[in-house]
Amino acid sequence: QSALTQPPSASGSPGQSVTISCTGTSSDVGGYNYVSWFQQPPGKAPKLMIYEVSKRPSGVPDRFSGSKSGNTASLTVSGLQAEDEADYYCSSYAGNNNLVFGGGTKLTVL
Amino acid sequence: EVQLVESGGGLVQPGGSLRLSCTASGFTFSNYWMKWVRQAPGKGLEWVANIKEDGSEKYYVDSVKGRFTISRDNAKNSLSLQMDSLRVDDTAVYYCARGKYSCAYWGQGTLVTVSS
Repeated sequence: QSALTQPPSASGSPGQSVTISCTGTSSDVGGYNYVSWFQQPPGKAPKLMIYEVSKRPSGVPDRFSGSKSGNTASLTVSGLQAEDEADYYCSSYAGNNNLVFGGGTKLTVL
Repeated sequence: EVQLVESGGGLVQPGGSLRLSCTASGFTFSNYWMKWVRQAPGKGLEWVANIKEDGSEKYYVDSVKGRFTISRDNAKNSLSLQMDSLRVDDTAVYYCARGKYSCAYWGQGTLVTVSS
């Protein structure tokens, strides 16, 4: 049950695109198409932004997109806006009804 | 509108017990897996426990096995987490969340502080 690996920080200017990676193993990210991404503003609860690798819940802007290659998943935020500044966490199903999270990435909009 | 509201957090001494509750509304509670996820101060998210729709299957992260018990009452749309033998490193905000493979909806969280 080891945590997934995310970069601690990422940044971009308004209007730019930024990609956050999430690296696991063949037992979690690489083994299942159950990768999710969550946005957590300071002091608030997480919010689901992407599920099943690339699906967006209703209400999430299409500026947010997800993908996966091998044991690494990615979240891309296009057309960065000030309101996108938050912590972002990935998660993956890890078999045996376990869920594992990444360590989180702080996204700064410059 | 889906709503999850946690309660029961507070200050407890090491070795003590606490019971968290989560009241659900806005969806058919008995149709969904539920889980508890925690976040230590300034740290990342950690999955704690899962429970199947009918309560027949329960799963835990290794660090809480034998100390925490997840349960649900579908008649009352309620999820619970009984926490025994609490340790200082159990200090965290505890969230209830809906879903099996992910967390589609989250509550606002309840803070548990384990300290002498």
